Amino acid sequence: AQSVTQLDSQVPVFEEAPVELRCNYSSSVSVYLFWYVQYPNQGLQLLLKYLSGSTLVKGINGFEAEFNKSQTSFHLRKPSVHISDTAEYFCAYSTGTASKLTFGTGTRLQVTL
Amino acid sequence: DTAVSQTPKYLVTQMGNDKSIKCEQNLGHDTMYWYKQDSKKFLKIMFSYNNKELIINETVPNRFSPKSPDKAHLNLHINSLELGDSAVYFCASSQEVQGRSPLHFGNGTRLTVT
Repeated sequence: AQSVTQLDSQVPVFEEAPVELRCNYSSSVSVYLFWYVQYPNQGLQLLLKYLSGSTLVKGINGFEAEFNKSQTSFHLRKPSVHISDTAEYFCAYSTGTASKLTFGTGTRLQVTL
Repeated sequence: DTAVSQTPKYLVTQMGNDKSIKCEQNLGHDTMYWYKQDSKKFLKIMFSYNNKELIINETVPNRFSPKSPDKAHLNLHINSLELGDSAVYFCASSQEVQGRSPLHFGNGTRLTVT
């Protein structure tokens, strides 16, 4: 069965520290991968996406992610977080055009001083 | 200008009532969706319309009925509301049917059934 797993439900981190939010997928076919962010009381917005090509993808707000086919991972990273990065982060995937987008269970990033 | 807007933002109602949530997008997208987010933040797709045609209809009670009068609008009507319907409902749109095309979300409607 195809799925996406976010192993960490919560990640606490101090401001200006680096962070990595983990996402692993399971699929027997090619996938498109996405990271979305949800700030409190708002809808989700796209951070970045991997469709094909370069495995290192840069997104908004200084985030980047690396597609690793051998490890079936698409981890999200930021070298130095800010208080304003506190939010819920969702990894999502689809398996082709016209394929349903499936979300992971989310990771709550809590940035403190 | 708000790209995907949904109303109302909050909806508090009693069990057994019927309610509607409205959604409009001004992005010129062909595809619109309804997602449900439960109290644990889990997101699940409910419906998807492409050019007013229903293309995704997940396992949702038939008390939920989407309606798309045109490709810029997708409304959700819920009959005989139950306690378990309490959640945040998100409308979204995309340029193409899901796959490569990112979703643009509204800010959600928090439905509380008492």
